[in-house]
Amino acid sequence: EDKVVQSPLSLVVHEGDTVTLNCSYEVTNFRSLLWYKQEKKAPTFLFMLTSSGIEKKSGRLSSILDKKELFSILNITATQTGDSAVYLCAVPLGGSNYKLTFGKGTLLTVNP
Amino acid sequence: DAGVTQSPTHLIKTRGQHVTLRCSPISGHKSVSWYQQVLGQGPQFIFQYYEKEERGRGNFPDRFSARQFPNYSSELNVNALLLGDSALYLCASSLWETDTQYFGPGTRLTVL
Repeated sequence: EDKVVQSPLSLVVHEGDTVTLNCSYEVTNFRSLLWYKQEKKAPTFLFMLTSSGIEKKSGRLSSILDKKELFSILNITATQTGDSAVYLCAVPLGGSNYKLTFGKGTLLTVNP
Repeated sequence: DAGVTQSPTHLIKTRGQHVTLRCSPISGHKSVSWYQQVLGQGPQFIFQYYEKEERGRGNFPDRFSARQFPNYSSELNVNALLLGDSALYLCASSLWETDTQYFGPGTRLTVL
């Protein structure tokens, strides 16, 4: 059965800390892995990863994929209170390009 | 450019009633997917429509149905509402040939 597992489920840090969020997956016919940030309602797209070892970067956020070990990490450096959110990892099911299967998410709280 | 829009924002219904949720995709996107998100979980795939045809269905009962219109907007219908249908319903749009889906703000459905 296809599945996506995120860890930790929640994390509390202080502003300025660096955090690493984990996502492991088991899916048939892997195509891609996506990261989203969900603050109140709409998940906001962060990154899509398709190749191993290539880091995607946007400001203080970066992500990398390991297709051999079937996991991805999302790093956030110099965290700010605005980074507080649920971070979701998703993988399209069974080779499709639309049926995203999501992990439960990691709730990140950044305290001032 | 406008993102994905959904209406209504909130909805309160009683058990046994039916509900219709609406979604307008990003201009140029012909694919629309629906997801259900209950508290503490990641979104769960319900349906995907492309070019007005159902292309995929998740593990949901027949009480759930959807359709897509010629302008690519979409409706999700849920009949005979149960308490367990209370959730955030998210709509996402995408270009068919890519894996990245862009989410709307969602409709919060409460069933009493």
